Amino acid sequence: NAGVMQNPRHLVRRRGQEARLRCSPMKGHSHVYWYRQLPEEGLKFMVYLQKENIIDESGMPKERFSAEFPKEGPSILRIQQVVRGDSAAYFCASSPLEGKTEAFFGQGTRLTVV
Amino acid sequence: QQPVQSPQAVILREGEDAVINCSSSKALYSVHWYRQKHGEAPVFLMILLKGGEQKGHDKISASFNEKKQQSSLYLTASQLSYSGTYFCGTVERMLTFGGGTRLMVKP
Repeated sequence: NAGVMQNPRHLVRRRGQEARLRCSPMKGHSHVYWYRQLPEEGLKFMVYLQKENIIDESGMPKERFSAEFPKEGPSILRIQQVVRGDSAAYFCASSPLEGKTEAFFGQGTRLTVV
Repeated sequence: QQPVQSPQAVILREGEDAVINCSSSKALYSVHWYRQKHGEAPVFLMILLKGGEQKGHDKISASFNEKKQQSSLYLTASQLSYSGTYFCGTVERMLTFGGGTRLMVKP
């Protein structure tokens, strides 16, 4: 059973471009969380999704950021018109149940905006 | 609302003990503990689901005081491999994490 897979592991974008980050949860997991982490800082919650539904997006900026978790395929975190301040590590985690079981993290995508 | 962790940083000598605390202003239904090493993904340590529950994993254990809305992580006879940042996570609807506690174990 493969773990949570994120790709790409590293992504470089110029200011104004779009960044697409992918997360394939563990098999059987229908809950996905996205977090953002700046160097030497904590894990900041962005969005919580179940298949085809956004459950909570209170941690995600209203503009330029969007997330989806379609019925088929990986969860996608999309950042439009990236700015230098978007540079960070973005982690996704998946779990089979809401809150009552451990969440497993992917290796993260390190986004650098130049 | 994210939980609050203390202390923010700890430096230990190998073999010493440490306690990391996690508290919330809201009722806690479960507490998750993770460790993250530099440049790596957070790794699950344990989850506590019920008030009064205690769990252990090697020489790392945790307790959950539901009434006080607190959890504590105990590291006993620390090893060099314990170094990293420890995060507690709480669930209201989604899993949110405290700011982390940086633990450094020196020889």
